[in-house]
Amino acid sequence: GENVEQHPSTLSVQEGDSAVIKCTYSDSASNYFPWYKQELGKRPQLIIDIRSNVGEKKDQRIAVTLNKTAKHFSLHITETQPEDSAVYFCAASKGNTDKLIFGTGTRLQVFP
Amino acid sequence: DAGITQSPRHKVTETGTPVTLRCHQTENHRYMYWYRQDPGHGLRLIHYSYGVKDTDKGEVSDGYSVSRSKTEDFLLTLESATSSQTSVYFCAISQGAGTEAFFGQGTRLTVV
Repeated sequence: GENVEQHPSTLSVQEGDSAVIKCTYSDSASNYFPWYKQELGKRPQLIIDIRSNVGEKKDQRIAVTLNKTAKHFSLHITETQPEDSAVYFCAASKGNTDKLIFGTGTRLQVFP
Repeated sequence: DAGITQSPRHKVTETGTPVTLRCHQTENHRYMYWYRQDPGHGLRLIHYSYGVKDTDKGEVSDGYSVSRSKTEDFLLTLESATSSQTSVYFCAISQGAGTEAFFGQGTRLTVV
């Protein structure tokens, strides 16, 4: 079955710097790659997603890139702010009836 | 927020007892998922459903069973609770594979 690995497990940056989180997946048939943000004590919420027919997607300060050949995808956050501090999860799934598998998460801390 | 409710929100139970967690949705979404969240392991899929009476195992299904007799309810049962099943359990719903998953508030289960 699908396996999703995520790195790093923790990431500390200064406010205004960029942050990059990377994930790799094992099943080449996977075609949907969402990213979720979970603030302390809250539920995970979708922040951006990308499908396998697209190489890059942006939404204001966040962007996701996908390299199907290498089977990896990355989350990029620019101009980080303290409110970006949270745990971020990547995930992957494929086709109809298939499961959504998550990575182990990255705890991002943005220091003022 | 999507109409998804988990019950109970907190539960303490004794080793060896059966426990049932309920996920209820008002969105008429086809897919429903049960995840557990543990430090260092991220979100791990226990079981999921892609329709009424259609369920499949996830990554960590041993010791758990599920049932979905109607669209709006997805039940997770711990047949004989063990201390290793102490965790935060999240239910999620989505319209289909490759679409946004919405999470419930979570259930904190402690097995003593």
